[in-house]
This record gives sequence, C-alpha cells and structure tokens, in this order.
Amino acid sequence: DTAVSQTPKYLVTQMGNDKSIKCEQNLGHDTMYWYKQDSKKFLKIMFSYNNKELIINETVPNRFSPKSPDKAHLNLHINSLELGDSAVYFCASSQGLNPDTQYFGPGTRLTVL
Amino acid sequence: RKEVEQDPGPFNVPEGATVAFNCTYSNSASQSFFWYRQDCRKEPKLLMSVYSSGNEDGRFTAQLNRASQYISLLIRDSKLSDSATYLCVVRPAGGTSYGKLTFGQGTILTVHP
Repeated sequence: DTAVSQTPKYLVTQMGNDKSIKCEQNLGHDTMYWYKQDSKKFLKIMFSYNNKELIINETVPNRFSPKSPDKAHLNLHINSLELGDSAVYFCASSQGLNPDTQYFGPGTRLTVL
Repeated sequence: RKEVEQDPGPFNVPEGATVAFNCTYSNSASQSFFWYRQDCRKEPKLLMSVYSSGNEDGRFTAQLNRASQYISLLIRDSKLSDSATYLCVVRPAGGTSYGKLTFGQGTILTVHP
C-alpha cells in the first residue's frame, strides 16, 4: 500500500496554463506539506496544513493555491504557469506539527514549455 | 549564507571505504537534526535523526556539535546500495516552526565496485 501518493507523476504543459497536482496519504496523519525541488536539487517547503488549516505559507507566488478538502488530501493548483515553475513537487505528511519524520510522496515532475 | 550548507560532492568511493559528510547550519536556535537519503529520481526518506550525544545505526554514525553548529554523517564499509544523495536537514525550535524542515542541497555519494 502506498503511504503518500501523488498524481500525476509527470506533467508537461505550456506556459500560461493552469494545472493541479493531487496528494493523498493513508497514514492517518494530520499534517501535510508541499515542497518544491528545483534543478539545483534544493528542497524547499511551500505550504503545510494541519487538520485542514494552513500553517506554513512560505514566500510563494499567489499563483500557487493549496487546498485541503480533508486531512488525508492536499492538492496544489497552479495558475498561469511559468518556465520557472518547472521542478519536482513533493507532497509529504506527518503526525503532529513537530514530528521527527515526514513521509514523502514519489514526486510530480512538472515541465513548463 | 544558506541556512544549511553541505559539500555537494560528488564523493566517489570504492566498496568498503569509509566516507564522511559534513553540514553546517546558521540558525543557532535549531532544535532537531536529521539525515535524509534521496535516491536518484525518488523521494527523500529519513535515514536517521541526529542526537546531541551522537548516535549510531549499523554502519552509519551521526554526530552533532551545537557549539560549532556542525553535523556529520559517517558511513563505514560502504555498499553499492549506499549510492544516493544525503540531505542534511534542520528544524528550528518549537513555536512557529510548525514542522518546517530546512534541507541542505545534498551530498552526492557514488560507491563503485
């Protein structure tokens, strides 16, 4: 059973389009995160939600809008995609706000042409 | 100065070698420290937490020097399967940190026959 799953795994799209990435966790965790890993491999947090409430909102363009319909899901919608949005986006989950371990999904590789 | 700095490598070592990775962090209020491992085109996974007294897990030894704000990971008797990127990860003290992990850019290790 996949603990943290993301769809799609690959996403290739044109500049200016709007796209969504979905994340689901079956670990019963109450906190979920979105990270961006750029071409230089830096992994940076974008958002985190605890019990569907937005907790962390790093300096991210407002073209990025997370949505948490329930504790097990955290989706990421991106409007007006730009070349610089090309990256791997990882979803993660944990139990509690200061856990020792965060469990990552397999990543969504977004390429904006 | 980056919040978490690592030597990106790459480190190329033969099987059986001992290899050490270093990491420095800038926030003296950092509370928790970890090493994550990321295989090529995969998600990061927790390798081990790092405790003040130092800790060992099989062939892996992690150490923390709070005074110097320095973390290390030692791998003994390297295996081919140890080839990966090793990410130094730091979490600030409680309060508003809310599970925010800060990742170094990673150190690439390649173990060859």
